[in-house]
Amino acid sequence: GIQVEQSPPDLILQEGANSTLRCNFSDSVNNLQWFHQNPWGQLINLFYIPSGTKQNGRLSATTVATERYSLLYISSSQTTDSGVYFCAVDSNTGNQFYFGTGTSLTVIP
Amino acid sequence: GAGVSQSPRYKVTKRGQDVALRCDPISGHVSLYWYRQALGQGPEFLTYFNYEAQQDKSGLPNDRFSAERPEGSISTLTIQRTEQRDSAMYRCASSLGATSSDTQYFGPGTRLTVL
Repeated sequence: GIQVEQSPPDLILQEGANSTLRCNFSDSVNNLQWFHQNPWGQLINLFYIPSGTKQNGRLSATTVATERYSLLYISSSQTTDSGVYFCAVDSNTGNQFYFGTGTSLTVIP
Repeated sequence: GAGVSQSPRYKVTKRGQDVALRCDPISGHVSLYWYRQALGQGPEFLTYFNYEAQQDKSGLPNDRFSAERPEGSISTLTIQRTEQRDSAMYRCASSLGATSSDTQYFGPGTRLTVL
């Protein structure tokens, strides 16, 4: 299956700081999504972004499919941004969805 | 409903018992996925349905695990003769289209603890 690597594994930010999370994947994909798992365990869809750039408020994401990576940008971080951010991809040969191991973000006031 | 729902939210069972986990997808969604998430890990694919047809069950760890979606809507994941290693968060997701190219929406999960 596809290998999905996320970096950094852990990140601690002061409130108001910006950050960039990275997701590398090993093969061509049809689907790439970013999720936020909040401290209550809910997995919330942030972006569906197999290619290109999208923005939603303080969050934006860019996927460069030809180079097999995606970036999630968080600007002016808030304590409510804390949690684990997952990148997940499918393969273009099947319907399995592969998750990375996540980036654990802690935003301190 | 407005989103994917799962029940029960928490299940504690004794080793050797059977458990059934339920997923109610977003109305009209064709595809339904089951995942298992161990503590500190990302979700791992278990199985996938298009309508009532189970398209891929390659992620089911062994024959104690089975899933069905008999009417193409609600799905049940059944674990027979549970073992302690089955303890995990079990997540369900649904998507509108028939392939994994569509956005997947996740339910709140069922936290299973096997004593």
